[in-house]
Formats: sequence, C-alpha cells, structure tokens
Amino acid sequence: EDKVVQSPLSLVVHEGDTVTLNCSYEVTNFRSLLWYKQEKKAPTFLFMLTSSGIEKKSGRLSSILDKKELSSILNITATQTGDSAIYLCAVGMNYGGSQGNLIFGKGTKLSVKP
Amino acid sequence: NAGVTQTPKFRVLKTGQSMTLLCAQDMNHEYMYWYRQDPGMGLRLIHYSVGEGTTAKGEVPDGYNVSRLKKQNFLLGLESAAPSQTSVYFCASSYVPGIAYEQYFGPGTRLTVT
Repeated sequence: EDKVVQSPLSLVVHEGDTVTLNCSYEVTNFRSLLWYKQEKKAPTFLFMLTSSGIEKKSGRLSSILDKKELSSILNITATQTGDSAIYLCAVGMNYGGSQGNLIFGKGTKLSVKP
Repeated sequence: NAGVTQTPKFRVLKTGQSMTLLCAQDMNHEYMYWYRQDPGMGLRLIHYSVGEGTTAKGEVPDGYNVSRLKKQNFLLGLESAAPSQTSVYFCASSYVPGIAYEQYFGPGTRLTVT
C-alpha cells in the first residue's frame, strides 16, 4: 500500500529557532514530492522535488529530496510566528489515468511562539 | 483571476439530507479533485476528474458522487448525508501532469452532519 509518513506530528518552537520537518514515503513509481503550507484555509504550494530537482530554496525555507532514503526534509530557518501552520507532504506517482493524483501525509503542525 | 472557488463555505445538514458542493476554477486546468480533511487524517482523495465528462474514484469514494459537465466546474454530491461525512472538503485543480504537477486548492467547505 502506498503511504506517506510525516514526523513529527506537532512541534512547538520559539521565534528564531531552526526547524526540520521530515517526510518519508513508500510508493510505486515515484514521480514527485510536494510540500504545502496550510494555515487556516487552503493548502498553498511551497516546493516540488523530482529526480531532476532534488533541492529547492525560497527565502528561509529549503527542501531536499533523498531518493535513496525515500525521504525529504523541509527546513525553516529563523522561524517567525507567521510560519505557524500545518505543513503537508504529498507524493505523486506515474501510472495510468491517475498520474495527477497525490498521496498526502497527515501533516506536521508547527507552532512558533514569540 | 479567482483561482479555485468553492460554494458554500459552511453547511449544516441533518442525517439523510442531500446536498451538492460546487467547485469552480478559472485557470483552464484539465484535472480536478475532491478531498476531505479530518483531524489527524491529512487530505484523502474522494473522486477526481482528468477532463470534462470524466470522473474516477479516489481513496474514499463511498457515499459521494461527482459530475464534471463543464471543464471549469466539478460538483460533489452527498445523496444521504451521514455523521461520518462531517469534515472539511477541499477542491483542487491542476494542469495535465507532465506540464506541471502542483495542485491548486480552494478555500474549503466545512460540513457538519447532525
């Protein structure tokens, strides 16, 4: 059975801390791994990682894909209260008519305290 | 450019009632998806569509039906609501995989079944 596992499920840090969120996967025909940020409403897209793009960075956020270990990490440096959110990891696969489908992990709830 | 919109934002139903959730996107995306999100469960795919006039089952399709009569709209129906269908429902859309894989999400519909 295809699955995506995120850890930790929740995390509380103070402003200025650096955090690392983890995502591991067991899927057939891996195509891509995506990170989303979900505040109060809709998940918003952060990064997509594939075999041809295993590292992405945007400001204080960065992500790395380790295809050998079947995992990814999302790093946030110098955290701010605005980083408080649920961070979702999702994996896309290559097969048939459902090649657009994503399997989501349960998310990591990050709380950044002032 | 509104992106992905969902109607209604909130709804309370009694057990056995029916309703339809409407999703609309103005990005000319081919693929559309319906998810439900429950506490501690992440996002789970209910049904999806790879183009106008097509629909397919996702991970948790029981108790739901969908239709995609127009490319920009994707409807989710509950024929006889049950308390187990209390959830937050998200619609998403994407380009054809192979062009870009990220899904764009609507703001969600919070449904309570009493």
